[in-house]
Amino acid sequence: GAVVSQHPSWVICKSGTSVKIECRSLDFQATTMFWYRQFPKQSLMLMATSNEGSKATYEQGVEKDKFLINHASLTLSTLTVTSAHPEDSSFYICSALNRVPGELFFGEGSRLTVL
Amino acid sequence: QKEVEQNSGPLSVPEGAIASLNCTYSDRGSQSFFWYRQYSGKSPELIMSIYSNGDKEDGRFTAQLNKASQYVSLLIRDSQPSDSATYLCAVNFRRGNKLVFGAGTILRVKS
Repeated sequence: GAVVSQHPSWVICKSGTSVKIECRSLDFQATTMFWYRQFPKQSLMLMATSNEGSKATYEQGVEKDKFLINHASLTLSTLTVTSAHPEDSSFYICSALNRVPGELFFGEGSRLTVL
Repeated sequence: QKEVEQNSGPLSVPEGAIASLNCTYSDRGSQSFFWYRQYSGKSPELIMSIYSNGDKEDGRFTAQLNKASQYVSLLIRDSQPSDSATYLCAVNFRRGNKLVFGAGTILRVKS
């Protein structure tokens, strides 16, 4: 299947700092990428839809000023968790939509721990 | 009604048996359906996609789709302990053009 790379795979930071997570589609151009969050033993929760060259669309309840998304190229989207707090600790997963044949591929995930 | 519904399980099957995972969805206009496997602590991995009514086979996996009943299933033949994971059903909803995931079914294959 197609390859989506996510970096870093894990990060530990202090409360109040910002953390940037990168998501790259390695072998196809992705005009649309998605960011999910998953807490332990819970299902995936869609946070936002990232469209290349335009503003991200956030799901209800997700603070756009806290979770900054940038999709500056067809192969790269970034998620920045600003002023992170311990409750932001979670598994963040990106995915990229390969329009032909319309399949969604996930990155490896980034485990964020905020102390 | 949840948009995409799955039995949370756990579904326990003995090694070598057939595991049957089911999913129903609410958007009658949906055209694309996917099964993902997620191991604990890892991100989801695409196993199968299906777009037409009927069966689609890939190795030990068979996806079945019945759009009239708004039902999609995944059969795993000759189940192995390495198949133990959470299986996520995903449906591309025409409304909003977004992929909606079920909560997942935990499968345990016992040797």
